[in-house]
Amino acid sequence: NAGVTQTPKFQVLKTGQSMTLQCAQDMNHEYMSWYRQDPGMGLRLIHYSVGAGITDQGEVPNGYNVSRSTTEDFPLRLLSAAPSQTSVYFCASSRTGAEQYFGPGTRLTVT
Amino acid sequence: AQTVTQSQPEMSVQEAETVTLSCTYDTSESDYYLFWYKQPPSRQMILVIRQEAYKQQNATENRFSVNFQKAAKSFSLKISDSQLGDAAMYFCAYRLYSGGSNYKLTFGKGTLLTVNP
Repeated sequence: NAGVTQTPKFQVLKTGQSMTLQCAQDMNHEYMSWYRQDPGMGLRLIHYSVGAGITDQGEVPNGYNVSRSTTEDFPLRLLSAAPSQTSVYFCASSRTGAEQYFGPGTRLTVT
Repeated sequence: AQTVTQSQPEMSVQEAETVTLSCTYDTSESDYYLFWYKQPPSRQMILVIRQEAYKQQNATENRFSVNFQKAAKSFSLKISDSQLGDAAMYFCAYRLYSGGSNYKLTFGKGTLLTVNP
């Protein structure tokens, strides 16, 4: 199993551009989530999904959209990038929810 | 809302010695999980240890053990025989026991551990 994969690893965007961060897992996990990590802030939940077709907002959802059309994929969309969205983004997945498995992260810089 | 506090932004330890990282949390729930995650410079989040709140016995994983004090809402991580590879940022995290939206992990801000040779 590849586990949780994220692409790209690094990305630079200009203010106002849009992009999609990809996340996929091959463990048949129902639960998937997106976190952002900022210096001195720990990880904060952006959006999560408890199954295909079901998504909900986390702690810091503004400026991000998600969808879950399949169990395997959970993309995160930035509609109009802002410098405040410069961060490291982690995708995670879980079956029963006890342990969440994290992807390697995407470092996003918005200039 | 649940909160997790790590009061030590940075810690250091000599190789082969023991270090304890502190974590306190605030919750009104009785059933939950607590975790310690390690994040080395590679950025990968690695689960170190997990504790279920209903278990009185403290979890251990090789050189890593926890001191779980439910009444005090305290969850410290002890690393014995520290190795250079233990150098990393360590995050304490909380999660409710039941599923659905309660799968959310709440993280502390982290403790940066340095291991000196």
